[in-house]
Amino acid sequence: DTEVTQTPKHLVMGMTNKKSLKCEQHMGHRAMYWYKQKAKKPPELMFVYSYEKLSINESVPSRFSPECPNSSLLNLHLHALQPEDSALYLCASSLSQGGTEAFFGQGTRLTVV
Amino acid sequence: GESVGLHLPTLSVQEGDNSIINCAYSNSASDYFIWYKQESGKGPQFIIDIRSNMDKRQGQRVTVLLNKTVKHLSLQIAATQPGDSAVYFCAEDNQGGKLIFGQGTELSVKP
Repeated sequence: DTEVTQTPKHLVMGMTNKKSLKCEQHMGHRAMYWYKQKAKKPPELMFVYSYEKLSINESVPSRFSPECPNSSLLNLHLHALQPEDSALYLCASSLSQGGTEAFFGQGTRLTVV
Repeated sequence: GESVGLHLPTLSVQEGDNSIINCAYSNSASDYFIWYKQESGKGPQFIIDIRSNMDKRQGQRVTVLLNKTVKHLSLQIAATQPGDSAVYFCAEDNQGGKLIFGQGTELSVKP
């Protein structure tokens, strides 16, 4: 199994809603990542987890809250988002943090209305 | 600051021709580089990688060249096919776990 699975594929939420994005991998990878990608732009790193501990937070607003319940799962909890947060949210994983190939999921297309 | 960039935002080639996509990076301490392909509506897909102790690496129809002297990376695609049409990103990893993506080049293959 060489897949990173993200759910849902599409999400529309209001600015007062609370929702969560989910990511799962069964490759035994110990590093997992959240990226944000706007249209026609490169992915931008948000968070990195290494061995289920938050390793990097790229100064992301607190309305985005990551969680790593176990080595296979990564969540991104969303609360009080703004329309400008609409983007493709990508999850990735790699064997370890840094220096190894990162596998990406298909992303969740988020629209904030 | 650190940055990874591409020289050309778009590239159009004829089917069967070879394609060359270029990338410049600024962090001389980076020692691992990856090329990704991203098709519309999909996540980035790994193509090939190279470490800084190498200057060339070949895969199936793809070759990555690394010139550390001028901090330049290129991806060569042989016999380009319509299925190669996508946006190609170079990415730089400084072993800090931060994979920094370049701006991307959109490759269009004309039949």
